[in-house]
Amino acid sequence: QLQLQESGPGLVKPSETLSLTCTVSGGSISSSSYYWGWIRQPPGKGLEWIGSIYYSGSTYYNPSLKSRVTISVDTSKNQFSLKLSSVTAADTAVYYCARPLAVAGTDYGMDVWGQGTTVTVSS
Amino acid sequence: DIQMTQSPSSLSASVGDRVTITCRASQSISSYLNWYQQKPGKAPKLLIYAASSLQSGVPSRFSGSGSGTDFTLTISSLQPEDFATYYCQQSYSTLAFGQGTRLEIK
Repeated sequence: QLQLQESGPGLVKPSETLSLTCTVSGGSISSSSYYWGWIRQPPGKGLEWIGSIYYSGSTYYNPSLKSRVTISVDTSKNQFSLKLSSVTAADTAVYYCARPLAVAGTDYGMDVWGQGTTVTVSS
Repeated sequence: DIQMTQSPSSLSASVGDRVTITCRASQSISSYLNWYQQKPGKAPKLLIYAASSLQSGVPSRFSGSGSGTDFTLTISSLQPEDFATYYCQQSYSTLAFGQGTRLEIK
């Protein structure tokens, strides 16, 4: 059974870079044609897609965050990572990694999620 | 960018009620529309994909319809475990979620 687990610092200072890793277990990150994704949810607010990465390294990002986001993949460790630079209090959120449902070669909604990790931006 | 707008933003209903939530896209997204349920402190759960396909394991009281720009999620007979927040999401282009609909007990 595929499982995803986010990890990283729970507290980041303003103007610094937030770094999170998603470890995939129960399957290989490069065995299937998925765009693995990052989604976040500020306290009491809705879901925001951050960006996604293919196992080959191809990425696409939310235009509103694109200038600050880098997503990378390490197939040898079965992990993909998120870096968000120049963070402010507005970046405080629960961060989720997720994998989409693929049907006939097309990705649809995210059907496998990590449990989420809370990141607080504060000095 | 494609914007997703849900209505209503909150809804009160009783067990056994039939409930409909709507989602509108700012431009046509064909049938690339997905619905999620989220309970407090938990990750979202995929309910419906491709506008009307029921995800494996999801009760049949949940259904989705629509194409183009207008979509609906219907719960035919509310159960106690259905009180949660629901989100639509388009996967036609760069992904985007609706703002959510909070379904509360009347």
